[in-house]
Amino acid sequence: DAKTTQPPSMDCAEGRAANLPCNHSTISGNEYVYWYRQIHSQGPQYIIHGLKNNETNEMASLIITEDRKSSTLILPHATLRDTAVYYCIVRSLWAAGNKLTFGGGTRVLVKP
Amino acid sequence: GAVVSQHPSRVICKSGTSVKIECRSLDFQATTMFWYRQFPKQSLMLMATSNEGSKATYEQGVEKDKFLINHASLTLSTLTVTSAHPEDSSFYICSARLEETQYFGPGTRLLVL
Repeated sequence: DAKTTQPPSMDCAEGRAANLPCNHSTISGNEYVYWYRQIHSQGPQYIIHGLKNNETNEMASLIITEDRKSSTLILPHATLRDTAVYYCIVRSLWAAGNKLTFGGGTRVLVKP
Repeated sequence: GAVVSQHPSRVICKSGTSVKIECRSLDFQATTMFWYRQFPKQSLMLMATSNEGSKATYEQGVEKDKFLINHASLTLSTLTVTSAHPEDSSFYICSARLEETQYFGPGTRLLVL
């Protein structure tokens, strides 16, 4: 699976949109981009995933560049409860075992 | 939907004893479940892939005789840490695959004294 690069940390203001970048320049055509987050001492929570089109759900929006080499997760109105480590993962659905490989993620702190 | 539970949420045991952790998919069937381990301030590391009705597939460096995995039904996988030692103290997290997505349990914190 392709490797991803994320900033190690970022601060966001409560009520404002939080834009979390992810670089995956070696992504291949059959690899999806997944986003999970992990709140302290809990299991990861699925947020969203996409292949090449932008996606939106009740939690967030995922913007994937046309060349698919990077993406941005957007939390439209950050709240204090969005403080967590956010993981961007690329994965091929056809890879053996459909494994997820977690990198370091971005530690997001939402401030009042 | 897509809820995964784990039991227990935390456990303390003596060195040399065995501990069993259960992972259940509550509202869906999962032919594939995964077990991860997470040490403090580190990311999740995949330990093994659990397939219903067949042997688990272990990642390199994970001892299959120490971490026994059983996936006897489409909603239950168990991880048994045998002869636990203090270095096995960690946060153990399972996930279950539903279609394209893995859904994670809340984790089990193991402390071996």
